[in-house]
Amino acid sequence: AQRVTQPEKLLSVFKGAPVELKCNYSYSGSPELFWYVQYSRQRLQLLLRHISRESIKGFTADLNKGETSFHLKKPFAQEEDSAMYYCALKRQGGKLIFGQGTELSVKP
Amino acid sequence: GAVVSQHPSRVICKSGTSVKIECRSLDFQATTMFWYRQFPKQSLMLMATSNEGSKATYEQGVEKDKFLINHASLTLSTLTVTSAHPEDSSFYICSARPPGQANTEAFFGQGTRLTVV
Repeated sequence: AQRVTQPEKLLSVFKGAPVELKCNYSYSGSPELFWYVQYSRQRLQLLLRHISRESIKGFTADLNKGETSFHLKKPFAQEEDSAMYYCALKRQGGKLIFGQGTELSVKP
Repeated sequence: GAVVSQHPSRVICKSGTSVKIECRSLDFQATTMFWYRQFPKQSLMLMATSNEGSKATYEQGVEKDKFLINHASLTLSTLTVTSAHPEDSSFYICSARPPGQANTEAFFGQGTRLTVV
């Protein structure tokens, strides 16, 4: 079965603290994974994708095939990082399967 | 980046009526668009794949007679919720990816909040 799991519904950290949003997937084949972010009252937008191996807004994510994980990390959280974060897996035909989402709250 | 626009952003309708939601790709042509449904603070659930010039492909458990999808042009897909009921109240989101670029990102509309009273 193709599935994306984000075990944390809510993650609350203080500004400047490291943050890790967990994502595990189940997929037979070579996965293509993404992190999307949804700021308050804004549309969903792409944060990063594993094939690019890039860092956006200080966030990075490494695909670990052995652990079937694609955790999102940032060493020093900022208040403006507060948002909903969704891990997504691209299926055949370009369809995206989303995890349940994690609400990140960064307190001052 | 590419822009996908939905209209309306918010709609309230009476139980039993039908409501149409439009999804437009503003600066690119999209042979395929996707329709998602999102409940508050929950995940996006793929409802169907809208294919220009042919029938939509629905995900398991989604009633195709309830959620009518029409993709009449390369820049417009519509989702019609027929005989709406309060349980259809939700946030509906469409997305599209510029064609010919399998590895590009999918762009999302701003969503449509449907409330059925």
